[in-house]
Amino acid sequence: NAGVTQTPKFQVLKTGQSMTLQCAQDMNHEYMSWYRQDPGMGLRLIHYSVGAGITDQGEVPNGYNVSRSTTEDFPLRLLSAAPSQTSVYFCASSYRAAIDTGELFFGEGSRLTVL
Amino acid sequence: AQSVTQLGSHVSVSEGALVLLRCNYSSSVPPYLFWYVQYPNQGLQLLLKYTTGATLVKGINGFEAEFKKSETSFHLTKPSAHMSDAAEYFCAVRGEGRRALTFGSGTRLQVQP
Repeated sequence: NAGVTQTPKFQVLKTGQSMTLQCAQDMNHEYMSWYRQDPGMGLRLIHYSVGAGITDQGEVPNGYNVSRSTTEDFPLRLLSAAPSQTSVYFCASSYRAAIDTGELFFGEGSRLTVL
Repeated sequence: AQSVTQLGSHVSVSEGALVLLRCNYSSSVPPYLFWYVQYPNQGLQLLLKYTTGATLVKGINGFEAEFKKSETSFHLTKPSAHMSDAAEYFCAVRGEGRRALTFGSGTRLQVQP
């Protein structure tokens, strides 16, 4: 039982490049989300999904795209990377009902540097 | 809108001393409140939560927190710090009508031998 798996763990990009951060969970969770973590700012929600085919924006969605074609996967796409997107990205999931009680399961994070 | 304020970005205690990490929240609806812990190079994991009922909640590793509505607070405590408690701690509140959590900026706990 792997839980929430994020790849890659580290990535360096140049400004303007595109890339996809992968997130997969094997717990049959309906709810999945992406947060970014920046020093002194805690975690901020980028996008979330309550089930396959359903996504919604969070607090800081600009510059990021998501899709949810399967229950297991929730990739985060950066179409044209900017230095402001240098951050640590976390994917988190839960059972749909569990999000009401805050029980999120987090991946280990993906550290992205944009030069 | 809901928000969370964690007082003190860094807290340092001696091993065996009381741990007190402060969290104040703002919410226009009855809040659901949480503490998460993040060990170095790992994701966050749930430490404890308050939803309804008893205002003193106990979590893993000997931590507990008390919901005080009159003070809009949810401070995290542990009677005796252990070296393994060194980590970053995040307070969070459930968003109103949204399937997401709003996190505070975090408090890094150092435990001195």
